[in-house]
Amino acid sequence: NAGVMQNPRHLVRRRGQEARLRCSPMKGHSHVYWYRQLPEEGLKFMVYLQKENIIDESGMPKERFSAEFPKEGPSILRIQQVVRGDSAAYFCASSLTGTADGYTFGSGTRLTVV
Amino acid sequence: GIQVEQSPPDLILQEGANSTLRCNFSDSVNNLQWFHQNPWGQLINLFYIPSGTKQNGRLSATTVATERYSLLYISSSQTTDSGVYFCAGLMGAGGTSYGKLTFGQGTILTVHP
Repeated sequence: NAGVMQNPRHLVRRRGQEARLRCSPMKGHSHVYWYRQLPEEGLKFMVYLQKENIIDESGMPKERFSAEFPKEGPSILRIQQVVRGDSAAYFCASSLTGTADGYTFGSGTRLTVV
Repeated sequence: GIQVEQSPPDLILQEGANSTLRCNFSDSVNNLQWFHQNPWGQLINLFYIPSGTKQNGRLSATTVATERYSLLYISSSQTTDSGVYFCAGLMGAGGTSYGKLTFGQGTILTVHP
């Protein structure tokens, strides 16, 4: 069981470029969550997806950010036209039942915008 | 208001010491969990503890849901315990919160040899 896999681990982008962050949930898990951790802060919820559906995107900025979880393949968090304020660690978590029990986080992607 | 509040914000210990970390949470938060974020940034799920007490080696946790707090105990601390400890809970009652966690600001623990 490989756990929740995120890649890349580190991503450097220039201002204005696009960032694509990938998350493969644990085997059998169909519930995926994305969180953002700004420097020296706790994690903040961004979006909750199930296969092919966005269930709750209340924590995601309205512009430049989008997320998907296609029928096949990993979940993708996409940030268009990145700005310095997007620099953060982005964590993905998955669960089997959509509840808090058995919640497992990936190792995160650290995005640096230069 | 603040839904999940942790104390202390920072804690420095000598190896071998014991410590207690506290998490207060509001009425709208339930299904408490404790996480450890190690110095490399990795998040490890320590306890899922909506109520009662659990123990795992040198760590144990107690949640008193009726009084809206949870405690994480670390005994005989080691340098590898260093990092940030987060508590987090689900917002909303029953099954309405979809596993969406609200995190506290964390306690930064430093254990010196």
